[in-house]
Amino acid sequence: NAGVTQTPKFQVLKTGQSMTLQCAQDMNHNSMYWYRQDPGMGLRLIYYSASEGTTDKGEVPNGYNVSRLNKREFSLRLESAAPSQTSVYFCASSESFWGNQPQHFGDGTRLSIL
Amino acid sequence: DQQVKQNSPSLSVQEGRISILNCDYTNSMFDYFLWYKKYPAEGPTFLISISSIKDKNEDGRFTVFLNKSAKHLSLHIVPSQPGDSAVYFCAARDSGSARQLTFGSGTQLTVLP
Repeated sequence: NAGVTQTPKFQVLKTGQSMTLQCAQDMNHNSMYWYRQDPGMGLRLIYYSASEGTTDKGEVPNGYNVSRLNKREFSLRLESAAPSQTSVYFCASSESFWGNQPQHFGDGTRLSIL
Repeated sequence: DQQVKQNSPSLSVQEGRISILNCDYTNSMFDYFLWYKKYPAEGPTFLISISSIKDKNEDGRFTVFLNKSAKHLSLHIVPSQPGDSAVYFCAARDSGSARQLTFGSGTQLTVLP
């Protein structure tokens, strides 16, 4: 039972490069989320998809775009990476956006931008 | 302004004793609260949650208490085990249309054998 799978696990980019972080869940969840975690801080929401076909901005969306490819997959794209985007990125999913169901997280992508 | 605060960055407890992790919040619109545990190089793992209509929820060794008047949440672990050593995050969900989770900054729990 894989749960939430994120690829890649590690990546180093140069400033200005672009890349896409991939996330897939096998729990048939309707909602998916992207967070970033910086040292000494809690997780902050970048974007979310309440259901297939919808996406919305979270707390810190600037510099990012997302695509809900299908019910299983939700990708995060950095179009022109900046050093301030060095962080650990977590994808999560939940059964429903509206109910009292917890979010389940992947193991993260550690991204360094030089 | 942090809406969810975990004021203790770290906590050490002897094996077998009780661990109490605390969390304070400021937003009265929060209606659902969760605790997550995180090991290094892994993602957060859901532990236990509580709805704002309750004041206590138990699951095995883990109990979460909610004091709405004080805007305070706590997680009790009894008895504590060395495998409980991890970073613990509390999170709260807004009852409004955004329904986003807001996380605290975490508390590193170390259970000493």
